[in-house]
Amino acid sequence: AQSVTQLGSHVSVSEGALVLLRCNYSSSVPPYLFWYVQYPNQGLQLLLKYTSAATLVKGINGFEAEFKKSETSFHLTKPSAHMSDAAEYFCAVSRSGNTPLVFGKGTRLSVIA
Amino acid sequence: EAGVVQSPRYKIIEKKQPVAFWCNPISGHNTLYWYLQNLGQGPELLIRYENEEAVDDSQLPKDRFSAERLKGVDSTLKIQPAELGDSAVYLCASSLDVGNEQFFGPGTRLTVL
Repeated sequence: AQSVTQLGSHVSVSEGALVLLRCNYSSSVPPYLFWYVQYPNQGLQLLLKYTSAATLVKGINGFEAEFKKSETSFHLTKPSAHMSDAAEYFCAVSRSGNTPLVFGKGTRLSVIA
Repeated sequence: EAGVVQSPRYKIIEKKQPVAFWCNPISGHNTLYWYLQNLGQGPELLIRYENEEAVDDSQLPKDRFSAERLKGVDSTLKIQPAELGDSAVYLCASSLDVGNEQFFGPGTRLTVL
């Protein structure tokens, strides 16, 4: 069975600082990995996804994530935080394109001016 | 292009009452998903439809929950009777086909008193 663990339920950074949101996965087969963002009272929006191509994946809004098989990690980063990045971020895994997504518990990102 | 539409956005009911949620997916999307999102948790799949057929409903509590997707377009999720523990956000998502990017609606926030 697949699962993801997001380290830190709440991360706070200063505007302009590096954003690092951690995600570790567990999967018996090469996984498909995703990061979603959820703004208050809105649905989830796909930031980026890894599907066994390049290990460094670039997404929307300046975010990127690196797949590290040896560490079973898929951490999300952004060089410079903006106030508009404040939201809830979810890491998700699936066994293939045809299997359901399994989400982590989420990390709430706060950006301090 | 309109996104996934859900209604109502908010619903407050007393326990033991019935409640229904409606979802209109993006036009042309064959796959429709219903997720349950408890407070502080990631979404969990309740049921997935391929056109009008429910192909994954293993996580749907069938004693009180039911869903339908008539004509393979709109879908309705029903709870009867509602319990206090059903208070959560119910998210609907759709994709062109299984394995494609899922687009999420804003969700229905249910409060059971």
